[in-house]
Amino acid sequence: GQQLNQSPQSMFIQEGEDVSMNCTSSSIFNTWLWYKQDPGEGPVLLIALYKAGELTSNGRLTAQFGITRKDSFLNISASIPSDVGIYFCAGQSSGAGSYQLTFGKGTKLSVIP
Amino acid sequence: NAGVTQTPKFQVLKTGQSMTLQCAQDMNHEYMSWYRQDPGMGLRLIHYSVGAGITDQGEVPNGYNVSRSTTEDFPLRLLSAAPSQTSVYFCASMNIDTGELFFGEGSRLTVL
Repeated sequence: GQQLNQSPQSMFIQEGEDVSMNCTSSSIFNTWLWYKQDPGEGPVLLIALYKAGELTSNGRLTAQFGITRKDSFLNISASIPSDVGIYFCAGQSSGAGSYQLTFGKGTKLSVIP
Repeated sequence: NAGVTQTPKFQVLKTGQSMTLQCAQDMNHEYMSWYRQDPGMGLRLIHYSVGAGITDQGEVPNGYNVSRSTTEDFPLRLLSAAPSQTSVYFCASMNIDTGELFFGEGSRLTVL
């Protein structure tokens, strides 16, 4: 089956630093999604990407759909304490009725004030 | 906007008991799904549905049943709970035009 490798598994950064995380896949995806999960909550969609090479921003967050269609990156600029949480990537393949998402195992972000 | 609503948020069961986790969405999404989340395992798909009357198994379906009698509701049933089913369960619905999956807030289940 499809596998997504998300790295790093965890990060400890100083407030104000920039953060970068990525996901790589053994398969091609047509959609990449990035989620954030706060403790005790469900994952919340941050950014959706639909085209190879696409670069999309949402405030301090920027995500890119890799040109090989097998990877995606999420960057957070000037981190703040409320950025703490687990960030997940998810990929979706094409195909009739193929709605399933493949999830990475998450990157746990800790921000030191 | 309510989005995806799950109940209960917390539940403690004894081994062998049955229960149903409720899920409702108000976005008129055809696709709905249930995941479980365990430490180090990420999100694993239990069952999903692409429309009323249609359900299918995901990655870890054993021990769980689902039904989809309406577009809005997608309950998850545990017929005979086991300690291995201690987990956090998430219901989600998808806008199939965009692929965007929206999650509920989760139901934390402990089986003793």
